[in-house]
Amino acid sequence: EDQVTQSPEALRLQEGESSSLNCSYTVSGLRGLFWYRQDPGKGPEFLFTLYSAGEEKEKERLKATLTKKESFLHITAPKPEDSATYLCAPILTGGGNKLTFGTGTQLKVEL
Amino acid sequence: ETGVTQSPTHLIKTRGQQVTLRCSSQSGHNTVSWYQQALGQGPQFIFQYYREEENGRGNFPPRFSGLQFPNYSSELNVNALELDDSALYLCASSQGANEKLFFGSGTQLSVL
Repeated sequence: EDQVTQSPEALRLQEGESSSLNCSYTVSGLRGLFWYRQDPGKGPEFLFTLYSAGEEKEKERLKATLTKKESFLHITAPKPEDSATYLCAPILTGGGNKLTFGTGTQLKVEL
Repeated sequence: ETGVTQSPTHLIKTRGQQVTLRCSSQSGHNTVSWYQQALGQGPQFIFQYYREEENGRGNFPPRFSGLQFPNYSSELNVNALELDDSALYLCASSQGANEKLFFGSGTQLSVL
């Protein structure tokens, strides 16, 4: 059975304090990985797709990286508006849109 | 460009009742997926529709059913509601079965 684990479950940072979120997975037929951001009471918002080990994608203060067994979301000098739950989901060969999401990392950035 | 819209936003039902949730996909998208998200959990895949046919299903019982219409909008129907069905129901559309998903804001269902 496919398993996706995200750590930490919750993270509290001061504004400007950089950190990394981890997404590890045990799956068959990995084709890539999605990262999403979810604000309370809203649907997940797409951030990145990564397809190859070693690939990196950046958007503002966020950078996502991918290896064969895990992915990291690095947050550099975060701001309060980066507070959200960050979700990852491996993309599987032949999986279609049947994504298995992790439980997410709830990030709180304080002034 | 209109995003994914879901209705209603909130719904309260009692155990044993039936419910229908609706979703309009983003313009140009032909694939709709439904997810259930319990509090503190990640979204769980219910099923996917592509060109009006069910094209993949997660571990949900048959009382969860769906439809996709020619305009690619979709419905999720849940019969014989149980307390554990209380959750945020998310609809997502995409340009194909393996493309990134665009989510709606969800329908918050409470079963009493």
